[in-house]
This record gives sequence, C-alpha cells and structure tokens, in this order.
Amino acid sequence: NAGVTQTPKFQVLKTGQSMTLQCAQDMNHEYMSWYRQDPGMGLRLIHYSVGAGITDQGEVPNGYNVSRSTTEDFPLRLLSAAPSQTSVYFCASGSWDRGGSGNTIYFGEGSWLTVV
Amino acid sequence: DAKTTQPPSMDCAEGRAANLPCNHSTISGNEYVYWYRQIHSQGPQYIIHGLKNNETNEMASLIITEDRKSSTLILPHATLRDTAVYYCIVRGTGGFKTIFGAGTRLFVKA
Repeated sequence: NAGVTQTPKFQVLKTGQSMTLQCAQDMNHEYMSWYRQDPGMGLRLIHYSVGAGITDQGEVPNGYNVSRSTTEDFPLRLLSAAPSQTSVYFCASGSWDRGGSGNTIYFGEGSWLTVV
Repeated sequence: DAKTTQPPSMDCAEGRAANLPCNHSTISGNEYVYWYRQIHSQGPQYIIHGLKNNETNEMASLIITEDRKSSTLILPHATLRDTAVYYCIVRGTGGFKTIFGAGTRLFVKA
C-alpha cells in the first residue's frame, strides 16, 4: 500500500516556467488537497477536492490550478512560477472512518520546489 | 470550523509524560477534535481524534473536557523522536477541509 505519493520530490524552476506537481493515492479516498509550507511557517491550504470533478479553493489559491479527473490523482499546476512560490508542497488525502466517527487525512512526503 | 488556541512551545523531559493543551471554546456539537504532528520537514502525521469521550491509541491519549471547550493530548512516555510541531484541529463531520494553525512546538530533552 503506497499511500499518498508525490512527484517530483525536488524541482528547480526558472521564473515564468510552468510545471505540474503530481499526487496519487491508492486508498480510494474521496478527499484530496494541496498545502504549501514556507520555511519556518505553518501549512496553508491551496486547493482541495471532495471527489472526481469537484474542486474548491483554499486559503492561498492564486497562481495554482487543480483538476480532479480521477479519484486517484490530484495534480497541482503552477501556471507561471514566481520566486514567492518557493516552498514545500504537501498533498493529502482522506476518507470517512468506519461508522462515521470522523475522518482522517494522510499526507505525502512533500515536494521541494525552488523558483529562481 | 471552530478556531483553536495552543501554546507556541513546550518542553518535556525524555521519559516523562508530555501534556499538550488546546482550547476550542467555540466548538459545536458535531465537531471532532483532531491532533496531528509534523516532525521536521516531513508530512504531518495523524495522531488521534475524538468527539466527547476520552480516546487512547498506541501513540497517545486524548482527554476532552466535559464541556468540550478544551482538550489535552498526552504522550505518556515522551522520547526524543517526539520532538515535533503538534497541531490541534477542530473539524465537523460534514467535510474534510482542514486549516492548520501554528501548533505547539514540543521539545523533548534528554
């Protein structure tokens, strides 16, 4: 069971370039989301999805696009990279616990992005 | 979702119990209390969650006050590897959207 898999783990981009961070989960989770974490700071929610075809904005959505064409995948696209987007990006997925006793979110290992 | 308040940092001696408080005075009846932790540079890790009863698992215990306005995460025998940022989150059963606050930075010292 791979859990939440993020690729690439490390990436260096030039200002203005575009790229996609990939996130895949093999747990059939309805919920998936992307966070960014700047050095020494907390996690901030970028976008999230509660199912295939459904996405919504989080706290800091500007400069990022997402889509959810399948349950398993939730890619994050940087349209025109800026130095301010240098950060660690975490993908997460979750589902309802058995018996409806809340829900649990699981995180990937992170993708380190540097924009120069 | 209800807002939470946590102390910015705490120290604990190795082998002793670490008691991490969280205030969530505006919690509503269908909202759960969740705890996650983030060890340096890693993705956050789920620890435990509860509604109103105390909960225990292999990692920790969660004590929720009777009025549900505060809770305490207990690591019974803290080790150096428990040094991390601990996040207390309150979230309703209606969704998964999770906003993280600043959390408590726990330093376990030898």
